[in-house]
Amino acid sequence: GQNIDQPTEMTATEGAIVQINCTYQTSGFNGLFWYQQHAGEAPTFLSYNVLDGLEEKGRFSSFLSRSKGYSYLLLKELQMKDSASYLCAVTDSNYQLIWGAGTKLIIKP
Amino acid sequence: IAGITQAPTSQILAAGRRMTLRCTQDMRHNAMYWYRQDLGLGLRLIHYSNTAGTTGKGEVPDGYSVSRANTDDFPLTLASAVPSQTSVYFCASSDSLASSYNEQFFGPGTRLTVL
Repeated sequence: GQNIDQPTEMTATEGAIVQINCTYQTSGFNGLFWYQQHAGEAPTFLSYNVLDGLEEKGRFSSFLSRSKGYSYLLLKELQMKDSASYLCAVTDSNYQLIWGAGTKLIIKP
Repeated sequence: IAGITQAPTSQILAAGRRMTLRCTQDMRHNAMYWYRQDLGLGLRLIHYSNTAGTTGKGEVPDGYSVSRANTDDFPLTLASAVPSQTSVYFCASSDSLASSYNEQFFGPGTRLTVL
């Protein structure tokens, strides 16, 4: 079966750095997405990785290791507005997006 | 309008009633999707459409039907609602399904409660 694992919840302090991990086992791999979802709102696109390595975009970076079936999202200089759920999703061999359950990130002052 | 709209925003429905959730996009995207999101389970695909005139079943299609008469609209129908269909429903679209870069854009969601 297809499976994506993420921690259910994480807590971090404003101004700090947090790393959210995602491991996946899917039938094929055609890319990995990270989305952000604030409570009561729709998911919005954060990043995309298809090759191994780190993609940096401002305060957010995403890393991929295809051989390990592993990705992480790194958030730097945390702000209160970063409190949200972070969803990891993998495009499988049929180009369907397989979604993780999401990691709820709580930022404390 | 810009992006994807969904209607209604929320609805309380008696079990056994028929309900259609509406979704419209103005980005001329070929592919459209319906998901349900339940606490602890993440997004689950109900139905999808690669292009106008075609539809396909996702992970949890039972009890739901869709149609894609044109590019912009992708309604989801519950023929006879049951309490287990209580959920938040998201419509999404992407430029193409058959692409590794398949960024999906989401509507604001419909919160449905079936009593």
